[in-house]
Amino acid sequence: QQQVKQSPQSLIVQKGGISIINCAYENTAFDYFPWYQQFPGKGPALLIAIRPDVSEKKEGRFTISFNKSAKQFSLHIMDSQPGDSATYFCAASGGSNDYKLSFGAGTTVTVRA
Amino acid sequence: NAGVTQTPKFQVLKTGQSMTLQCAQDMNHNSMYWYRQDPGMGLRLIYYSASEGTTDKGEVPNGYNVSRLNKREFSLRLESAAPSQTSVYFCASRGLAGGNSYNEQFFGPGTRLTVL
Repeated sequence: QQQVKQSPQSLIVQKGGISIINCAYENTAFDYFPWYQQFPGKGPALLIAIRPDVSEKKEGRFTISFNKSAKQFSLHIMDSQPGDSATYFCAASGGSNDYKLSFGAGTTVTVRA
Repeated sequence: NAGVTQTPKFQVLKTGQSMTLQCAQDMNHNSMYWYRQDPGMGLRLIYYSASEGTTDKGEVPNGYNVSRLNKREFSLRLESAAPSQTSVYFCASRGLAGGNSYNEQFFGPGTRLTVL
């Protein structure tokens, strides 16, 4: 069973809009929460990551919001652009698991011009 | 600096055939990983190697074997391929602790495998 649950499976947003992807986890030992971006035919690449000692992290148009008590975290893409069209994966790792990442199922984002 | 490289890019096998997927990294990373990616399931860890000379099972190891040949290379072998192993396979490496890249895994471009 997946340790990280991700939703929605896909979303379509207009250029300039906001894309929001949500993830939830159960393992309280997780202490590192990255988001990966994957373009068709390519490998995933790290987009942004957060640790649970902060509730929000922003890098350019991408923001992670983290709610430790609810065991949820989300990715917000502000001012979405056609070049943001990709599949996004949330992930988590921590404890004594040799930094193994547990991935969500992925969200395909399509930004319409 | 090529990062993580994988060969081949594409492969078609018949059921029962064997093959080895190759992975190499030039970032002097200690840890290396093999994942498979299937629609609607994200990436699932097959095997990993925390350091040269060690390997451990991940979430879905059945039907696979691995070899950490040296610090740079980590290969994945399918001894008797099955249609259920049709997937996209990604290799990744992770750097040493410290700085903002403490846990960052760097992925290769993938191998698209079809088993008929």
